[in-house]
Amino acid sequence: NAGVMQNPRHLVRRRGQEARLRCSPMKGHSHVYWYRQLPEEGLKFMVYLQKENIIDESGMPKERFSAEFPKEGPSILRIQQVVRGDSAAYFCASSLDRNNEKLFFGSGTQLSVL
Amino acid sequence: GDSVTQMEGPVTLSEEAFLTINCTYTATGYPSLFWYVQYPGEGLQLLLKATKADDKGSNKGFEATYRKETTSFHLEKGSVQVSDSAVYFCALIDSSASKIIFGSGTRLSIRP
Repeated sequence: NAGVMQNPRHLVRRRGQEARLRCSPMKGHSHVYWYRQLPEEGLKFMVYLQKENIIDESGMPKERFSAEFPKEGPSILRIQQVVRGDSAAYFCASSLDRNNEKLFFGSGTQLSVL
Repeated sequence: GDSVTQMEGPVTLSEEAFLTINCTYTATGYPSLFWYVQYPGEGLQLLLKATKADDKGSNKGFEATYRKETTSFHLEKGSVQVSDSAVYFCALIDSSASKIIFGSGTRLSIRP
């Protein structure tokens, strides 16, 4: 039973390019959370999605960032026109239901913006 | 809003030393509390949790007690090992129960 899969593991982009981060939740999980970890800082909540719905996006920057979790396929975190300050580790977590006491985390995507 | 404050690292100890990592929280109501661990190059793993006051969570020799009166959830281990070297995060479920809020993490390094 595969865990939460994130790809790519490392992503390098130049300023102004787009970054797409993918997250495949654990089998059967329909709840996905995205977190961002800046260097030497804790994890900051970004967005909580359920299949085809955004439940809580209170941690998402107002511009350039978007997330989706379609009926079929992985959840995607999209960052348009990346800037150096977007460089961070982005972690995805999934849960079977809204009981997020049972979160399972992926290994993260390290985004580096040159 | 809800928040978690934990002691800053890094913390460096010798093998078999006693470990305490302090954590306090601010929250509406009585949230569930957690400790997560992040080993190098990996995602976070749940280490232990407590869901109500005076509960003690324990796992792999680590313990933490939910103290409502001091709004604390300090992590302790009686005898650390080199393999315990990692970053430890204290966390809570926020009052809307829609997300987990993490502290800033404490990096622990154990010397042989």
